[in-house]
Amino acid sequence: GQQLNQSPQSMFIQEGEDVSMNCTSSSIFNTWLWYKQDPGEGPVLLIALYKAGELTSNGRLTAQFGITRKDSFLNISASIPSDVGIYFCAGHGATYNNNDMRFGAGTRLTVKP
Amino acid sequence: DARVTQTPRHKVTEMGQEVTMRCQPILGHNTVFWYRQTMMQGLELLAYFRNRAPLDDSGMPKDRFSAEMPDATLATLKIQPSEPRDSAVYFCASGLGQLNSPLHFGNGTRLTVT
Repeated sequence: GQQLNQSPQSMFIQEGEDVSMNCTSSSIFNTWLWYKQDPGEGPVLLIALYKAGELTSNGRLTAQFGITRKDSFLNISASIPSDVGIYFCAGHGATYNNNDMRFGAGTRLTVKP
Repeated sequence: DARVTQTPRHKVTEMGQEVTMRCQPILGHNTVFWYRQTMMQGLELLAYFRNRAPLDDSGMPKDRFSAEMPDATLATLKIQPSEPRDSAVYFCASGLGQLNSPLHFGNGTRLTVT
């Protein structure tokens, strides 16, 4: 099961609105990753963060690695219908091993045209 | 774009039958992971290989599940015998096994056991 707290669980927004979602953990993470999953497909990497405080953008997406190393957020600006999907946060714990990567439960985004 | 390839995309089978799912990792990736995704549990790690050696399969029910990498281009996940509770989407992911190298996922095998 998940060991990251991701919120919100779901969002229903109007096209053009901005979106914000976040993940928190009780333990320190060394990397934070944000994935998007479209129906019938596997998760696709959107943004990877490797340093505390790092702020990275990918088009209309912006993500930040929290200073405490226990949280991360993802913002989507000016949402469009194709932003629909499930967004997952994932993090690598202190061991730097890939098998230490944990996933949030996902945020299901619905965008109304 | 290099991709992780999984087959079959869909599998419907009867309880008790053997199921084999296959994964071709991205060429050059030395780590392979199997995840199971359900509505209730989200993404659960089942098994993890590095350089074809199984390093962690603690998330896998050992009595019926087995995972192998016969060679660097093929990973398999087998369920024998299958049960209805195994119905889920099974994802394979591969990576370079380094801190700055995230995992890349295949499109999954949707398994339905009736």
